[in-house]
Amino acid sequence: GAVVSQHPSRVICKSGTSVKIECRSLDFQATTMFWYRQFPKQSLMLMATSNEGSKATYEQGVEKDKFLINHASLTLSTLTVTSAHPEDSSFYICSARVPDRVAGELFFGEGSRLTVL
Amino acid sequence: AQSVAQPEDQVNVAEGNPLTVKCTYSVSGNPYLFWYVQYPNRGLQFLLKYITGDNLVKGSYGFEAEFNKSQTSFHLKKPSALVSDSALYFCAVRASFSGGYNKLIFGAGTRLAVHP
Repeated sequence: GAVVSQHPSRVICKSGTSVKIECRSLDFQATTMFWYRQFPKQSLMLMATSNEGSKATYEQGVEKDKFLINHASLTLSTLTVTSAHPEDSSFYICSARVPDRVAGELFFGEGSRLTVL
Repeated sequence: AQSVAQPEDQVNVAEGNPLTVKCTYSVSGNPYLFWYVQYPNRGLQFLLKYITGDNLVKGSYGFEAEFNKSQTSFHLKKPSALVSDSALYFCAVRASFSGGYNKLIFGAGTRLAVHP
């Protein structure tokens, strides 16, 4: 159980275009999902917390207009990188918290590697 | 400040030997601690967690971790390493903030290399 699916796994786009990444919880309902960014050989940086039915909570320094997050249902959150530029190239990983787990451990998607040309 | 430290960038071990990946933490209140593993170009896989109870926690793939409150450590261990264990390992702690908000804080990661 606790499977999180992320799509696409790889995407290449031209500078100035927008890219949408989807994160789905397959066998549970996730009221809260998290979006992380990972640079090469570095740890995960939390970008934002996605809450079903309400606005996302962004971490300090993350541009909310640049990284649009929509959590429209209990099983789907999307991250849209708007007007992408080469510096947005990175590995983006989503995760979800399984309800009723005392510790609140997260389960992660497989990640999406974005390359902006 | 609430934080997680993984002091080793890389750990090298021969196949069949025991391995230890170190983690120390700083958090207010009782710690909820986790270990995750990441293979290249993949997301993170949950290995194990400590909430309360026995200090030795057993997890997936033969891994275990020992919680030590006095040393604020949660080192990951395995009695006999496999080449397939080679990956990037992250320690994490659940940190609480005002307003009931909490999130996982991750360490910098330790790359484990198991040599045949």
